[in-house]
Amino acid sequence: NAGVTQTPKFQVLKTGQSMTLQCAQDMNHEYMSWYRQDPGMGLRLIHYSVGAGITDQGEVPNGYNVSRSTTEDFPLRLLSAAPSQTSVYFCATLRGSTEAFFGQGTRLTVV
Amino acid sequence: GENVEQHPSTLSVQEGDSAVIKCTYSDSASNYFPWYKQELGKRPQLIIDIRSNVGEKKDQRIAVTLNKTAKHFSLHITETQPEDSAVYFCAASTSDYKLSFGAGTTVTVRA
Repeated sequence: NAGVTQTPKFQVLKTGQSMTLQCAQDMNHEYMSWYRQDPGMGLRLIHYSVGAGITDQGEVPNGYNVSRSTTEDFPLRLLSAAPSQTSVYFCATLRGSTEAFFGQGTRLTVV
Repeated sequence: GENVEQHPSTLSVQEGDSAVIKCTYSDSASNYFPWYKQELGKRPQLIIDIRSNVGEKKDQRIAVTLNKTAKHFSLHITETQPEDSAVYFCAASTSDYKLSFGAGTTVTVRA
């Protein structure tokens, strides 16, 4: 039982490149979300999904796309990377309306 | 949307003393208030939570209090130990499953 698994753990991109951050869970949780963590700003919600085929925007969605074709996977796509997207990204699932389970994080640097 | 403010941003305490972190929220519909602990380089993990129908909850050395009228809640850590050093995040959510996080408090326990 791996919980929430994110790949990669580290990534360096050049400005303008695109990439996909992967998130997979084996807990059968309907709710999945992506957060970014920046110093002094806590965790800010990018996009979330309440089930397969359903996604919605969070607080800071610009520059990111998501899709949810299965319960298990919730990839985050950066369309054209910018230095402002340098951050630590966390994928999380929610058990019911309570506890959030986070992946180990992806540290992204855009140069 | 929900706005959660957290104070202080840093807190240094002597080992054995108590630590208190306070958060305020803006949405009176919020009904779930978790606290997460994040050790350096690790993922956030739930340490305690409280729902709006409860005023206080304790778990060994940690406790959370909630004042719905004033829209604030607090984390209390007693008899602090070096392993309590970490970043602590408060959060609030309504029934729509979206967690809004505070900016975090870096707690340092001095030996």
